[in-house]
This record gives sequence, C-alpha cells and structure tokens, in this order.
Amino acid sequence: DTEVTQTPKHLVMGMTNKKSLKCEQHMGHRAMYWYKQKAKKPPELMFVYSYEKLSINESVPSRFSPECPNSSLLNLHLHALQPEDSALYLCASSQDGQVREQYFGPGTRLTVT
Amino acid sequence: LAKTTQPISMDSYEGQEVNITCSHNNIATNDYITWYQQFPSQGPRFIIQGYKTKVTNEVASLFIPADRKSSTLSLPRVSLSDTAVYYCLVGERPSGTYKYIFGTGTRLKVLA
Repeated sequence: DTEVTQTPKHLVMGMTNKKSLKCEQHMGHRAMYWYKQKAKKPPELMFVYSYEKLSINESVPSRFSPECPNSSLLNLHLHALQPEDSALYLCASSQDGQVREQYFGPGTRLTVT
Repeated sequence: LAKTTQPISMDSYEGQEVNITCSHNNIATNDYITWYQQFPSQGPRFIIQGYKTKVTNEVASLFIPADRKSSTLSLPRVSLSDTAVYYCLVGERPSGTYKYIFGTGTRLKVLA
C-alpha cells in the first residue's frame, strides 16, 4: 500500500468554525508533513513530524494546530481561520525526515467563508 | 532569500525530449534534489532524486553539475499524459535554519 489518504476531500468553513483535516498512511513511514498550496503556486511546507514529534514548524499561525496521534495518523486542527487561508492542504509522508521520496495525498480543498 | 527558480512554462511535441532546469543556489551540503510531477487537483508525485552527477530511472534522468547549484530533469519522448506542472524540491540553509523549498514550478504542455 503506497497510498496516503486525506479526508475530507473538500471543506467549507466559516471563520468562527472549528474543523479538522485528517491524513493516514500505512507504509510504515516515520515522517509526515503538512503543506499548503495556493492556486498556481508551489506547495509551502507548514509542519513536519518525525517519529511522532513535531520537528519543523514553519512559523505557521496558531490558528493551525497539528497533531500526530500515532505513526500512521496526522491531523490538522483549524480554528478561527481567515479567507486567505483558503487553499489546497496536502499531507505527505516519507520513510524518514529527509527531503527525499515523499508520498503525497490528494489534498483537502479548503474554502473559508 | 534566494528563490529556487524554474522556467514558468514549456511547450513540447509528443515524442520529443524535454529538459527542465531548476536553480537552487542555497542547497544544503548534504541534501538530495528531488523532482515531482503534479496534475490539477492532485498531490505531487515523486519522479526522481539525486545527489550529484547523473541519475536515471524508468521515467526520467536527472543531471546535477559538480557545484550542485542547479539540476536538470530530462523526460525522454514525452506524451500527452506528461502535461503537468513539474517541481524541484531541495533542502536549503539560507540563514542557518534548514528549510524545505519547492521550486517555482514549470508548467509543461505537450502538444500532439
């Protein structure tokens, strides 16, 4: 199984809502990533978890809160988002925390109204 | 902060070889260079990775000069299904802090 799954596929939320994005992989990878991608732009790294510990936080606003319950799961909790946070949120995993072969999920298309 | 830059777009015809370059002046000493392909509304898909010189797999080749400040992805005999955006991804230490940086992306259009 070389698949990274993400749910939901689409999400529309108001600025006062609380929601969560979920990501799962069963490849035994020990590093997991959250990226944000705006239209026609490259993905931007948000967070990296390595061996279930947060190893990189790219100065992401606190309205985004990552969580890694176990080595297969990665969540991104969203609260009080702004319309400019609307984007495609991508989850990825890799064997370890190096910039090497990352497997990406299909993403969650988030719209903040 | 120097950007990791790529040509914005390229057009090619089916059956031709396509070479896409990436400039990464601040690449970290011990880091690999990886390349990804992305179709609309999908996550990027790994193509190839390399550290130096030349790497080849079943779908592409990657050329890296000795100074490692650039790399070139070579796609042999492209087909219509290769129409996509291509990104390089490197690790950089622009001010001591390690960062993962995607290139600006190259939109490849393959014509019949």
